[in-house]
Amino acid sequence: GAGVSQSPSNKVTEKGKDVELRCDPISGHTALYWYRQSLGQGLEFLIYFQGNSAPDKSGLPSDRFSAERTGGSVSTLTIQRTQQEDSAVYLCASSRGSLPSPQHFGDGTRLSIL
Amino acid sequence: AQSVTQLGSHVSVSEGALVLLRCNYSSSVPPYLFWYVQYPNQGLQLLLKYTSAATLVKGINGFEAEFKKSETSFHLTKPSAHMSDAAEYFCAVNGSSNTGKLIFGQGTTLQVKP
Repeated sequence: GAGVSQSPSNKVTEKGKDVELRCDPISGHTALYWYRQSLGQGLEFLIYFQGNSAPDKSGLPSDRFSAERTGGSVSTLTIQRTQQEDSAVYLCASSRGSLPSPQHFGDGTRLSIL
Repeated sequence: AQSVTQLGSHVSVSEGALVLLRCNYSSSVPPYLFWYVQYPNQGLQLLLKYTSAATLVKGINGFEAEFKKSETSFHLTKPSAHMSDAAEYFCAVNGSSNTGKLIFGQGTTLQVKP
């Protein structure tokens, strides 16, 4: 009965480094979402995967951000050449299908860029 | 375009008093609406959802919300506040009719005074 699992829970890195954030969705959930939560911007949608369909990348803020989902399960969000404005909590969610199935959230990865 | 406005970034009530958190939405498609709660250093937990069935929706922990199309509102209420209700609350609407992404309000922090 595990929920959405995210790792690491905290990540501190230097400006300019690349980071990878991992999300393990709830087993059987076909939809997976990434959101970013920051003080200035609130909760922002980043990217959405649904089954084998092309992902909705409309929320990615720049080409430094990318995400993949392997085998329809685990997802990795990669941020290249990190900037200080990338500091935020990155939340992953999964759902049994698309809307209106509710999204179940992980506890997030707190990313700090020095 | 879809949007959500939560009136009042901070709400303070006494223990046992009525809780009312306000949410107004804008949607060009039939909306699905959600209320989530976030405790410190945790992800978001679903309280309740509206999916075009009953306009009065009951959720967990004694919360409920009423969908009012004429007022484009989906306010969250609880008759009697508990200390454990202190948290941040987010209202969300679907981003469009064919994507799973959610558009969140800026959040309301609920303080419960003894």
